[in-house]
Amino acid sequence: GAVVSQHPSWVICKSGTSVKIECRSLDFQATTMFWYRQFPKQSLMLMATSNEGSKATYEQGVEKDKFLINHASLTLSTLTVTSAHPEDSSFYICSARDAARPATDTQYFGPGTRLTVL
Amino acid sequence: AQKVTQAQTEISVVEKEDVTLDCVYETRDTTYYLFWYKQPPSGELVFLIRRNSFDEQNEISGRYSWNFQKSTSSFNFTITASQVVDSAVYFCALIEDNYGQNFVFGPGTRLSVLP
Repeated sequence: GAVVSQHPSWVICKSGTSVKIECRSLDFQATTMFWYRQFPKQSLMLMATSNEGSKATYEQGVEKDKFLINHASLTLSTLTVTSAHPEDSSFYICSARDAARPATDTQYFGPGTRLTVL
Repeated sequence: AQKVTQAQTEISVVEKEDVTLDCVYETRDTTYYLFWYKQPPSGELVFLIRRNSFDEQNEISGRYSWNFQKSTSSFNFTITASQVVDSAVYFCALIEDNYGQNFVFGPGTRLSVLP
């Protein structure tokens, strides 16, 4: 089946540094990828929708200058948390949509990246 | 607006008991899709089932079964003869065909199955 990978699986960084998280579709092309955030003991909330070759669409309350999204190819989207602070510590999960199939039929989640900001 | 409600925050059962996890949704779309995911402590989401709005047939897969009722906007999930390995957080989720096509997740139900 389709596989979506995320790298790194976990990261610890100091406050004020930037962290890049990669989301890759391994055996399909993904025109659209979604980034979700999950705080401890909470649900997953959509942060932004990333479309290949165009600017990402951010959900209300998500700072686009802080969470930079780049979807430069059909198999890779990156989320960069700039000037990370402890309140950004969370579990970040991406999902990728198979461009060749209906969106609701084929969206696959990555395994997630656990970010801890000290 | 779209919304998914899982009224049970936490459930504890003893192994071999049956347990039902409730899910109620709201949608503005006529075509939508409902999902259940399991999230073990590792965090990775495990896909359990997908149902479209035109298919109200109930489904059974091993010890798992799902009851979809459009009349009450519910998509409940039952685990029969629960096992300790079923302990996890379970999320019900919705995708609307004509509105963004991203997942909208419920708050989750934490299931603990005690030996």
